[in-house]
Amino acid sequence: GEDVEQSLFLSVREGDSSVINCTYTDSSSTYLYWYKQEPGAGLQLLTYIFSNMDMKQDQRLTVLLNKKDKHLSLRIADTQTGDSAIYFCAEETGANNLFFGTGTRLTVIP
Amino acid sequence: EAQVTQNPRYLITVTGKKLTVTCSQNMNHEYMSWYRQDPGLGLRQIYYSMNVEVTDKGDVPEGYKVSRKEKRNFPLILESPSPNQTSLYFCASSPLPSKETDTQYFGPGTRLTVL
Repeated sequence: GEDVEQSLFLSVREGDSSVINCTYTDSSSTYLYWYKQEPGAGLQLLTYIFSNMDMKQDQRLTVLLNKKDKHLSLRIADTQTGDSAIYFCAEETGANNLFFGTGTRLTVIP
Repeated sequence: EAQVTQNPRYLITVTGKKLTVTCSQNMNHEYMSWYRQDPGLGLRQIYYSMNVEVTDKGDVPEGYKVSRKEKRNFPLILESPSPNQTSLYFCASSPLPSKETDTQYFGPGTRLTVL
């Protein structure tokens, strides 16, 4: 299968920006997704980017896509304690397959 | 090896013919969940289960049923499939959600086509 990699842990101070990174291997990706999983909840779709875009901004969230390097990032501005969660990136390929990263646990320190 | 398995991986069926997609995990997880994934819509939760005999609706439960008679298994049942249920389905499991929940483990996906 395809390889989608993320670092496992990230800690930031409240009010700082968080940047969660993801790399993938399949160059035929169509959509790339960011999901948030809070304790006790299922996955929540945060945002997605179509593969022909290089940036998407949605309030405090900025998604950057470097298709040449197959690198995706999620930046959360002014990180709050409520942002503490596990963040998954996922790559959808041309064949409508979906591959998840391992998840990055974001801890926001008050 | 810790894993979540789903069967079948691929299925083509016709409208109205009941089907079951199985999901099994070997990690003794309490929490299990079914999602469907559609292009541009991302992953949407269908049903979830916090433990044996405890199930609850997710965001898009219509047309689906689940059961949790044993901890390791969480089958997804489509009593009368319709073409709008053509999708890619993922099962996931995790330990009982708590303040410090672990990551979810995903199955490989089941691609369902309803003609």
